[in-house]
Amino acid sequence: AQSVTQPDIHITVSEGASLELRCNYSYGATPYLFWYVQSPGQGLQLLLKYFSGDTLVQGIKGFEAEFKRSQSSFNLRKPSVHWSDAAEYFCAVGGSEDSSYKLIFGSGTRLLVRP
Amino acid sequence: SQTIHQWPATLVQPVGSPLSLECTVEGTSNPNLYWYRQAAGRGLQLLFYSVGIGQISSEVPQNLSASRPQDRQFILSSKKLLLSDSGFYLCAWSGRTGPEQYFGPGTRLTVT
Repeated sequence: AQSVTQPDIHITVSEGASLELRCNYSYGATPYLFWYVQSPGQGLQLLLKYFSGDTLVQGIKGFEAEFKRSQSSFNLRKPSVHWSDAAEYFCAVGGSEDSSYKLIFGSGTRLLVRP
Repeated sequence: SQTIHQWPATLVQPVGSPLSLECTVEGTSNPNLYWYRQAAGRGLQLLFYSVGIGQISSEVPQNLSASRPQDRQFILSSKKLLLSDSGFYLCAWSGRTGPEQYFGPGTRLTVT
């Protein structure tokens, strides 16, 4: 079955500290992987995506993610968190088996930033 | 550049009343369109998607329906709202060349 697991519901980090949000997926075909961020009451913004090639991908706002096929993981990282990074983060997986390009989303990780 | 609009931004409706939420995309042609619902504190549930005008696929049985009367317009409807229809409704689009989806600002629906 196709699924995305974000094992951490909440994570709290201090401003300036490093961050890693975990994402594991189950997908039968070659996956396309995404991270989105959502501020309260807003839509989702695409942070970064992985289709193929270099397994370390860079995104907006200083975020990066690493695709590890052997671990079925696509963890999101940031070396130094800013207070404005407090939000909810969603990992998603999809593929190109048909033209619908549907995505499967994880349940999200809420990031809190301590001053 | 492409933009996606949703309206209204917020809506409070009584149980049993009809619903119509609208989503439009600008700056692209033949997009795939999607409707999601996000319950409080939860992830996204795909409700409907469309790969072309008049082509609607439903992901879950429910009290809602969708239509795509024009290439860049996607409408979510209900004839009679239930309390369980409350939530945050998000519209998204993707292009024909890649699966990344771009989201609208959302509509907060409260059914009372």
